[in-house]
Amino acid sequence: KAGVTQTPRYLIKTRGQQVTLSCSPISGHRSVSWYQQTPGQGLQFLFEYFSETQRNKGNFPGRFSGRQFSNSRSEMNVSTLELGDSALYLCASSAPFSGANVLTFGAGSRLTVL
Amino acid sequence: AQSVTQPDIHITVSEGASLELRCNYSYGATPYLFWYVQSPGQGLQLLLKYFSGDTLVQGIKGFEAEFKRSQSSFNLRKPSVHWSDAAEYFCAVGADNDMRFGAGTRLTVKP
Repeated sequence: KAGVTQTPRYLIKTRGQQVTLSCSPISGHRSVSWYQQTPGQGLQFLFEYFSETQRNKGNFPGRFSGRQFSNSRSEMNVSTLELGDSALYLCASSAPFSGANVLTFGAGSRLTVL
Repeated sequence: AQSVTQPDIHITVSEGASLELRCNYSYGATPYLFWYVQSPGQGLQLLLKYFSGDTLVQGIKGFEAEFKRSQSSFNLRKPSVHWSDAAEYFCAVGADNDMRFGAGTRLTVKP
């Protein structure tokens, strides 16, 4: 079956703009998590959605938001972009009621903010 | 809150040599533990996981890891490293839909 699909793979924005990233989970997976990966901070948890509800949120400013649709696809949005938002944004999905969160990751969306 | 420490930022081993990557965790209960591998420009791939039971778990690509509760460790091992194993390795602890990752260990393999 198809894996986790993230679009776009690469994008360049300028400071002050906003960006929307998309994630299509594995079919049947209802949980979608987002992570930001940077060389300095490593992998940082952004938020997790299950059945269109945000269940958990990391320590990021309100400029970072997300949502999940009824088909489990998820989007994350970053408004008023800053240079420090340049990162690889990873989406991961997990099976329902897995409890132990076996995450399957997409290839990521690499955002460069100029 | 759970946390993960990978003490080694970068490790270099010769091809064919054995490998051990260290991971220490902090968690109040029995943790769910994972090792992931990331090749350049790619997402993370699950190597193996520990939920309960046998403390020595086998994963893909010939990797194994041992859970030691007394040491709060979950070290990753491979008896003979291949050049294709060069990548970044992440240890993670997760529960209740909140996964925490270590900072990663970058593995370089010398010919």
